[in-house]
Amino acid sequence: SQTIHQWPATLVQPVGSPLSLECTVEGTSNPNLYWYRQAAGRGLQLLFYSVGIGQISSEVPQNLSASRPQDRQFILSSKKLLLSDSGFYLCAWSVLYTNQETQYFGPGTRLLVL
Amino acid sequence: ELKVEQNPLFLSMQEGKNYTIYCNYSTTSDRLYWYRQDPGKSLESLFVLLSNGAVKQEGRLMASLDTKARLSTLHITAAVHDLSATYFCAVDMDSNYQLIWGAGTKLIIKP
Repeated sequence: SQTIHQWPATLVQPVGSPLSLECTVEGTSNPNLYWYRQAAGRGLQLLFYSVGIGQISSEVPQNLSASRPQDRQFILSSKKLLLSDSGFYLCAWSVLYTNQETQYFGPGTRLLVL
Repeated sequence: ELKVEQNPLFLSMQEGKNYTIYCNYSTTSDRLYWYRQDPGKSLESLFVLLSNGAVKQEGRLMASLDTKARLSTLHITAAVHDLSATYFCAVDMDSNYQLIWGAGTKLIIKP
């Protein structure tokens, strides 16, 4: 069966500090991978998605970036965090052309920028 | 531009009652997804609706899709407290499975 991991689970960072959030998927090959952000009490905002190694599409211009160095690894980064970067970051995966055609979410990372 | 609208955005109801959450979307799509989110938790997939007229049921929840009306409904039958959560619908935008999300419906069921 497939599993998705995210770490850390919780992070408190000062403004201007760097960020690295990691997401890994097990039990599937060549998944689509996604990074979302959810502000408190709000809906989901798609930040990045990737259809393959090294292929990143950005949905929202901001000070965040994403990388996919391996097939099942997706990293979200920032060189300098802003207060507005606080939120709940969710990684998700999906696979095309299967009977489980949906996005599956990781447990999330709660980020607080102070 | 594809837009997805859910209503209501907030719903407080008593146990034992029935209610329906609506999800309207603005352009043609035949793939719609429902998710549940408990407070402070991640999202859990509830239903995948992949064709016009699709109906799926799990316990007290039933979801349906009318692609001609661009409408999906999530019906709750004889609500129980454990169903309290935020429910999101999402519509597939293209073959890369990029989803457009509704704002979510926060459902509170009072015992």
